[in-house]
Amino acid sequence: QVQLVESGGGEVQPGESLRLSCSASGFTFSSWAVHWVRQAPGKGLEWLCAISYHSGDIWYADSVEGRFTVSRDNSKNTAYLRLDNLRHSDTAIYYCARAPTDTTSKFDYWGQGTLVAVSS
Amino acid sequence: SAQLTQDPAVSVVLGQTVTITCQGDSLRGYLPSWYQKKPGQAPILVLFRADNRAPGIPDRFSGSTSGIAASLTVTGAQAEDEADYFCASRDISGRQVIFGGGTRLTVL
Repeated sequence: QVQLVESGGGEVQPGESLRLSCSASGFTFSSWAVHWVRQAPGKGLEWLCAISYHSGDIWYADSVEGRFTVSRDNSKNTAYLRLDNLRHSDTAIYYCARAPTDTTSKFDYWGQGTLVAVSS
Repeated sequence: SAQLTQDPAVSVVLGQTVTITCQGDSLRGYLPSWYQKKPGQAPILVLFRADNRAPGIPDRFSGSTSGIAASLTVTGAQAEDEADYFCASRDISGRQVIFGGGTRLTVL
């Protein structure tokens, strides 16, 4: 069955970095785009970025462009999200989701999320 | 507008019908998706391309769109439908995805 598992979250101090991983199984990972979405405590869903199946197209939300970097390794069935210069406002659960393209809003499978807590 | 606007909260009596709305300029060009989010769980795709139910979604969920507005209707709401619902679409530029602020559905 289709499965996405995020990892790499944790507690960090402002200004530090993290790399999140999204490990996929149960489908042909190299044929699907991956999107990252987060939910801060008590807040709604926020789309962060997307990467096409071949990594040729990458898109970022204005709020994270320049600080977050998305990538993927199809040989490892894994997508990554590097978070740099973290701020208190980046505290959230981070989800990866599968999508047929990098520009769709149709995310048909999601991981369970990984918590990032930025605290001084 | 680069935003999708939703009412923060709606309620429905068990077994009755409720409609959740989403409004934004991007909906004129891009059909929305709808997600159900319960505490401690990952979001679940409910509808895509405005009115297509995702696999496994009960047929009491339906959707429509008109101009810059979209709606999700639950006909015969059940207790398990109590959740936050988010609409999403590509933004006007087509390069990003935007979510509405979410609507908390309470089933009374």
